[in-house]
Amino acid sequence: DTGVSQDPRHKITKRGQNVTFRCDPISEHNRLYWYRQTLGQGPEFLTYFQNEAQLEKSRLLSDRFSAERPKGSFSTLEIQRTEQGDSAMYLCASSLARWDGYTFGSGTRLTVV
Amino acid sequence: DAKTTQPNSMESNEEEPVHLPCNHSTISGTDYIHWYRQLPSQGPEYVIHGLTSNVNNRMASLAIAEDRKSSTLILHRATLRDAAVYYCILRDSEGNQFYFGTGTSLTVIP
Repeated sequence: DTGVSQDPRHKITKRGQNVTFRCDPISEHNRLYWYRQTLGQGPEFLTYFQNEAQLEKSRLLSDRFSAERPKGSFSTLEIQRTEQGDSAMYLCASSLARWDGYTFGSGTRLTVV
Repeated sequence: DAKTTQPNSMESNEEEPVHLPCNHSTISGTDYIHWYRQLPSQGPEYVIHGLTSNVNNRMASLAIAEDRKSSTLILHRATLRDAAVYYCILRDSEGNQFYFGTGTSLTVIP
């Protein structure tokens, strides 16, 4: 395992379209997190999975956003009916235990035009 | 999670030590102090974390004040590769998320 992989690295989409991002965590990590980062700001928490269970969601995660981790391995984050305000870097991270440091992926940069 | 305060930016000369301060006056007894850094166009990278005692690893040292209301990340010998935004974060014993803030942008001067 070389780390947390995110795909795609960049995505440009038209307003109103749906997009889906994928995250492959480090294989033995059972905890997976999604964060969003806009220019000049630190990352903001979106949601957290322990294995396949989504245990925590931020109020930033509007009803247009949905995240899944069906088999407790990879995760997807879908944004429906994208808006320009959704333009950001979407970061995925994983960890083995609550007290461990996170390993972040390089992120997916979304641009909504 | 309790809030942290960091300077917006700092500069250091290459090969000199760097001390990055963080104030967290409202820290609770169960809050861990974490440091991450983020290079341009990359995700944040874990640096170090601690609770009460000073901590050392291959990347840096973390010095925690006796009252735990402040901490300092120490890079012993800055290199150009250390130029990044450094985030000081508090994480409580129950939380599953980090609150990153805006961090300190470190510039390393050759």
